[in-house]
Amino acid sequence: EVQLVESGGGLVQPGRSLRLSCAASGFTFDDYGMHWVRQAPGKGLEWVSGISWNGGSVAYADSVKGRFTISRDNAKNSLYLQMDSLRAEDMAFYYCVKASGYHYFDYWGQGILVAVSS
Amino acid sequence: EIVLTQSPGTLSLSPGDRATLSCRASQPVSSSFLAWYQQNPGQAPRLLIYAASSRATGIPDRFSGSGSGTDFTLTISRLEPEDFAVYYCQQYGSSPWPFGQGTKVEIK
Repeated sequence: EVQLVESGGGLVQPGRSLRLSCAASGFTFDDYGMHWVRQAPGKGLEWVSGISWNGGSVAYADSVKGRFTISRDNAKNSLYLQMDSLRAEDMAFYYCVKASGYHYFDYWGQGILVAVSS
Repeated sequence: EIVLTQSPGTLSLSPGDRATLSCRASQPVSSSFLAWYQQNPGQAPRLLIYAASSRATGIPDRFSGSGSGTDFTLTISRLEPEDFAVYYCQQYGSSPWPFGQGTKVEIK
């Protein structure tokens, strides 16, 4: 059974940093691309960032480019999102998402809340 | 960058009704790399449809997808109580991977 478990969320002040982690199990982690998707409370889904199976290719939404960094450790079956210079508009539930071999998003974690407030 | 526009914003229907949801892309979606997701309140989204018309594993056959190019449709043939939720379309052919703004299917 595929499991994606996010951790590292919480309350942080504007301008500070936070690092999200996602522990993956139930599939061969280093065979698949991974993504982060966020959802502000009461709002729609927003793709944030994606990374290829070996970390050689990464992509970011314009809204986080230059502030967020996605990475992965295939030896630890883990995905990360380093979030710097956080803003109020970054407050959201962040989902860790597995991409299928054909790139659609086939498994989602339960999400973790990042709250940005002074 | 492709922009996806879903309509209507809200669909008010009764159990047993047929639901038709639309997703329009600002430019053609390559190779029909279009997916649909369902999100129930307080839950993570789940994959319903990929490649515009292929049902994901375990998805009931009352869900069907169609379309190509810039116009795509998700149809729920007979609404069950658990189908009242928010539905999102997404293109996954190339970066970025945008979602539509969602259609809420609510009980009339």
